[in-house]
Amino acid sequence: EIVLTQSPGTVSLSTGERATLSCRASQRVSGNYLAWYQQKPGQAPGLLIYETSIRATGIPDRFSGSGSGTDFTLIISRLEPEDFAVYYCQQYASLPLTFGGGTTVEVK
Amino acid sequence: DVQLVESGGGLVQPGGSLRLSCAASGFIFSDYYMDWVRQAPGKGLEWIGRSKNKANSYTTEYAASVKGRFSISRHESNNSVYLQMTSLRTEDTAVYYCARVDDYGEFFDYWGRGNLVTVSS
Repeated sequence: EIVLTQSPGTVSLSTGERATLSCRASQRVSGNYLAWYQQKPGQAPGLLIYETSIRATGIPDRFSGSGSGTDFTLIISRLEPEDFAVYYCQQYASLPLTFGGGTTVEVK
Repeated sequence: DVQLVESGGGLVQPGGSLRLSCAASGFIFSDYYMDWVRQAPGKGLEWIGRSKNKANSYTTEYAASVKGRFSISRHESNNSVYLQMTSLRTEDTAVYYCARVDDYGEFFDYWGRGNLVTVSS
């Protein structure tokens, strides 16, 4: 099983600032098959990025993903008020599919 | 528009059983893998199982934490996927989501709103 560790657990930022979220895998994620989701309170997660760096339909370009192997990053270049949420990474290189523990982006 | 609507959650005693349903619309149901993901209160996401598509004979896969206790089935006639849960434990308390697996890769492009299952005496 591939274990994903996200850091930091919580980051406190202001609107307009840059957020850098990390996702580290316990073993190589083949094909860079890593996705990112955003979840707001009381809502289901929503797909942001897949295959490490491809934005899902309708996702603004302030969201970008990068990485390879075992280290992956989600960057939100300039935080908008609607971006304060919890972010999860997920690997789909092998079963069982696994998620990171999440990073909360909160208002400073 | 793609829609996934779960139903069937609620309160159940430890050792009990419950069946969740997920009604799908807006896409060719038989073409897609359908998965279940859960989220314990205040916790992260956990993949629990899948029903593959018709081309793969609707084969199922399960996480170790639920294998032998949970089973997934689907009815093509009413575009629904089901999660039958037996021998429920308090640690199964969670919001259960059904999710469609994208046909490009095994990530989730659509999610239901979720259904709370509480296992408690």
